[in-house]
Amino acid sequence: IAGITQAPTSQILAAGRRMTLRCTQDMRHNAMYWYRQDLGLGLRLIHYSNTAGTTGKGEVPDGYSVSRANTDDFPLTLASAVPSQTSVYFCASSDSTNNEQFFGPGTRLTVL
Amino acid sequence: GQNIDQPTEMTATEGAIVQINCTYQTSGFNGLFWYQQHAGEAPTFLSYNVLDGLEEKGRFSSFLSRSKGYSYLLLKELQMKDSASYLCAVRDGDYKLSFGAGTTVTVRA
Repeated sequence: IAGITQAPTSQILAAGRRMTLRCTQDMRHNAMYWYRQDLGLGLRLIHYSNTAGTTGKGEVPDGYSVSRANTDDFPLTLASAVPSQTSVYFCASSDSTNNEQFFGPGTRLTVL
Repeated sequence: GQNIDQPTEMTATEGAIVQINCTYQTSGFNGLFWYQQHAGEAPTFLSYNVLDGLEEKGRFSSFLSRSKGYSYLLLKELQMKDSASYLCAVRDGDYKLSFGAGTTVTVRA
């Protein structure tokens, strides 16, 4: 793989189910981010990690959790999905907090 | 919190010039980014300004005035492939990015 990948590409999920969105990068970037993108609202930061072993809350963290066990992977978990979490989710990475972010292809999630 | 404003839509003719404005109010400032996003795809990096002035990169230029909380992205010699959404993003004092809602540019023949 080259760059940053996300899985699944799309998912339809029943409300109340648990779901983990996967994100992997092979650029050895220290910082990783999760955003959601909704029409008219732009990209909003959910959680971020400046380096492996650390995580932080973004603008809209409620209902989501993350972990950063190693440099390459940054999974996002919805413990109990709700319809308002229907969105397109983008993972991004940067080699430091000082540089531009590279985005994955996105996961389109629908919660019914 | 952050407040980043940019127009919702703009339309221009192939070969023309379009200027997309972005105004911002943020807690701390550590640079302004412009990203391009085609429909159904991921955002891709276009430009970065941290000091006042103009940064030119081929057909695209970006300008920043920190005292006015203002930036613009200038697209010259428009091509059909430039039809996309353009996202203004400001990096705050904690080095996190906040994005505007995006400007959809439609290029017509």
